[in-house]
Amino acid sequence: QKEVEQNSGPLSVPEGAIASLNCTYSDRGSQSFFWYRQYSGKSPELIMFIYSNGDKEDGRFTAQLNKASQYVSLLIRDSQPSDSATYLCAVINTGNQFYFGTGTSLTVIP
Amino acid sequence: DTAVSQTPKYLVTQMGNDKSIKCEQNLGHDTMYWYKQDSKKFLKIMFSYNNKELIINETVPNRFSPKSPDKAHLNLHINSLELGDSAVYFCASSHLQANYGYTFGSGTRLTVV
Repeated sequence: QKEVEQNSGPLSVPEGAIASLNCTYSDRGSQSFFWYRQYSGKSPELIMFIYSNGDKEDGRFTAQLNKASQYVSLLIRDSQPSDSATYLCAVINTGNQFYFGTGTSLTVIP
Repeated sequence: DTAVSQTPKYLVTQMGNDKSIKCEQNLGHDTMYWYKQDSKKFLKIMFSYNNKELIINETVPNRFSPKSPDKAHLNLHINSLELGDSAVYFCASSHLQANYGYTFGSGTRLTVV
């Protein structure tokens, strides 16, 4: 079982819609969770991190964490074509090891 | 500018050659990493150094040798390059606990021909 799993997509949403990206993790004791965005040909950049159950909002982005169900999601409201990228979920597990998912490709259609 | 910088950005070389990639960070982080990203976009950890000491050494061919002269630098030397080494290599840095995530360099696209 992989440490972090994401649907590779591609996920396509129309401009202005809500994009929902999901991630599950295997180590129940994991404490820190991250979402990275990676544009084609660029390096991953951190969008958000979340440690506690519930929602964390930053502008158009909302990270949601449910430790009981071992999933973390990223919602992007009012999606823009510039949001088209690969979104990587990452988790720090109980062994303090940092694992990335394989990423979900998002395309926002104008 | 505070950043993680790595050079070169592109590297095209023939099989069998030896090459190095350099990485420097001025963020005051004490831990640095090398990741390999393959064509399927999967980021795989290769090495991690904390204050010049190796703390993660994943199953990587011993043709790959990291060197950390100080905590702000982590270089990657690759001997006898093979076609399968073609990938994008990212350097990253963080505080030891990485609670605020990693900061990545811009990547080095290595093409072995």
